Amino acid sequence: KQEVTQIPAALSVPEGENLVLNCSFTDSAIYNLQWFRQDPGKGLTSLLLIQSSQREQTSGRLNASLDKSSGRSTLYIAASQPGDSATYLCAVNNFNTGNQFYFGTGTSLTVIP
Amino acid sequence: SQTIHQWPATLVQPVGSPLSLECTVEGTSNPNLYWYRQAAGRGLQLLFYSVGIGQISSEVPQNLSASRPQDRQFILSSKKLLLSDSGFYLCARETGVNTEAFFGQGTRLTVV
Repeated sequence: KQEVTQIPAALSVPEGENLVLNCSFTDSAIYNLQWFRQDPGKGLTSLLLIQSSQREQTSGRLNASLDKSSGRSTLYIAASQPGDSATYLCAVNNFNTGNQFYFGTGTSLTVIP
Repeated sequence: SQTIHQWPATLVQPVGSPLSLECTVEGTSNPNLYWYRQAAGRGLQLLFYSVGIGQISSEVPQNLSASRPQDRQFILSSKKLLLSDSGFYLCARETGVNTEAFFGQGTRLTVV
C-alpha cells in the first residue's frame, strides 16, 4: 500500500525566506503527484499537478519537483509571505488504484512578518 | 468554472441520529466524485468514490453510505451516527484518472 510522508510536520520562517517542503512516497508507480494548500477549517486548494513523466512544474513563486524513481517531491516557495501560512499537503495517484489519492499528513507552515 | 458546493459547512449531531451531506459540482460532465474524511491530526482518508450515476465504490467498512442520484450530485449518509464519525468531510472531483483533483470547502461534523 502506498505511504506518503511529509517532513517537516511544522515549519516557521521569517518573511522573505525561501523554503522547501518535502514529500516522499513508497510506491513509484504513480500517475501523478499533486500539491495542495489547506487553510484552517477550509477545503483543499490545488497548487500544482505533476504528471509522472514530468520533473517539475512552476506557478508563480511555487516550484514543485518530482523524482519518481526515488519516490520524492519537493515544493519550493520563493520569497515567502505571511499569506503563505497554511498547511501544505501532497498526494499521489497510483497506477493500480487509479481512483484514489494517497495523502501525506501535511506540513504546517507559518511565515512570520 | 469548476465549482464544488458542499453543505452544510458545519453540523453538530447527537449520537444515533441520521446524517446527510450533499455535494454538487458545476462546470463539468461525468466527473469522478469522491468523499474524504480528515480526522484531527490525521491525513485524508478516502471513504467513497463514484465514476458515474449509481456507481459507488467503498474504500473502508463503516456505518456510512454514499449515493449518486445525478451526474453532478454526491451524497454521504448515515442511519445512525457514532462518536467516531466526527471529522472534516471533503468532497472532491476530477474529470479522469490522471487529471487534477479539486476539493470543496468541507463540512465540519461533530457528533455529541
